[in-house]
Amino acid sequence: SAVISQKPSRDICQRGTSLTIQCQVDSQVTMMFWYRQQPGQSLTLIATANQGSEATYESGFVIDKFPISRPNLTFSTLTVSNMSPEDSSIYLCSVGLAEKLFFGSGTQLSVL
Amino acid sequence: KNEVEQSPQNLTAQEGEFITINCSYSVGISALHWLQQHPGGGIVSLFMLSSGKKKHGRLIATINIQEKHSSLHITASHPRDSAVYICAVSPNDMRFGAGTRLTVKP
Repeated sequence: SAVISQKPSRDICQRGTSLTIQCQVDSQVTMMFWYRQQPGQSLTLIATANQGSEATYESGFVIDKFPISRPNLTFSTLTVSNMSPEDSSIYLCSVGLAEKLFFGSGTQLSVL
Repeated sequence: KNEVEQSPQNLTAQEGEFITINCSYSVGISALHWLQQHPGGGIVSLFMLSSGKKKHGRLIATINIQEKHSSLHITASHPRDSAVYICAVSPNDMRFGAGTRLTVKP
């Protein structure tokens, strides 16, 4: 089992600013995943973060917009940069452990 | 066409009914996951399948690798089962279905 602490749970931000979301896992994991869930839709993978290497981004997502840090095996951050209203969404982190997926509680982001 | 298709999109049932949610996929996979997302956003992993069938309490998940199809069954459904159920497959990365919104009425 894994417990993921994700912060903040929600935020309201101004256009053009940046927000950093943190995920702390109570187990050491090789890969952490970052997802976006837009209103009424399912999850979309943003990137996969491995400790000690650059994150791997999915099509449509770039490092300049969504920089990711993975300083150790239990922690990762995702920054949403230069935000616009289109970035309003739920952002979630996830890990796989013992044949199960575990998710953070999500960050509800609203951009004005 | 999406790589992971779920049906139905929405499902309303009476308490006690047997529920089936279907998932079809078009990519080669190493595993298929069934997830449950409650209002408020929390996501819980229900099953990971690579073959056959798994059962946990009132939940049963099956997968047919040849037909690229999986089903999630809920027996004796209860209002607390009301949630969005999401099918996800992993070739190398995760691909998600759009989800099935289940409402169980008392």
